[in-house]
Amino acid sequence: QSALTQPASVSGSPGQSITISCTGTSSDIGAYDFVSWYQQHPDKAPKLMIYDVSERPSGVSNRFAGSRSGNTASLTISGLQAEDEANYYCSSYTRTSTWVFGGGTRLTVL
Amino acid sequence: QVQLQQWGAGLLKPSETLSLTCAIYGGSFSGYSWSWIRQPPGKGLEWIGEINRSGSTYSNPSLNSRLTISADTSKKQFSLKLNSVTAADTAVYYCARGYKGSSRDYWGQGTLVTVSS
Repeated sequence: QSALTQPASVSGSPGQSITISCTGTSSDIGAYDFVSWYQQHPDKAPKLMIYDVSERPSGVSNRFAGSRSGNTASLTISGLQAEDEANYYCSSYTRTSTWVFGGGTRLTVL
Repeated sequence: QVQLQQWGAGLLKPSETLSLTCAIYGGSFSGYSWSWIRQPPGKGLEWIGEINRSGSTYSNPSLNSRLTISADTSKKQFSLKLNSVTAADTAVYYCARGYKGSSRDYWGQGTLVTVSS
């Protein structure tokens, strides 16, 4: 199974909005509503930010929003804050009953 | 508060078996899926496999032939065994709880496993 495709890095200034894309295929992102996003700070375990394409877990800021168009999912972070600087990973269920992650995107807050 | 506590050997020689266990505290075992995910140093996340709510196991095809995932519901624990390890298996290994849909809402602290002769 191939990893989902994410940009290696994105950046933005405090207060701005950024979007991270995650491109898959009709066998994963395009097939199910089972796309999730994780935030990972250095030497920490990943933290769930979005699940089922656009659902936000309790306790996650509403500055984080997920969406999908065809085989591409997106994570938008609005009102960027310094603490948002981290690595972000998308994940999707696949038609072979397995899960696949994206390669990860490094977000830098300028 | 749900906590996942994981443990296992951190240093292995090539060809040995990697063995990790994850215990669930402060929550139930049934009704959730339980996953293993790893992260090589400086790299991204890789899904290893899981045991679902029905007790069925699924694994990454690239690891399938070497992998065993099992659960002891009475102890609220699940385990990972990976045979014939090589340096390519060096990674931080995480256990995680699958709640609804695609959510993995609780994660273990991670265990660094190094394979070196």
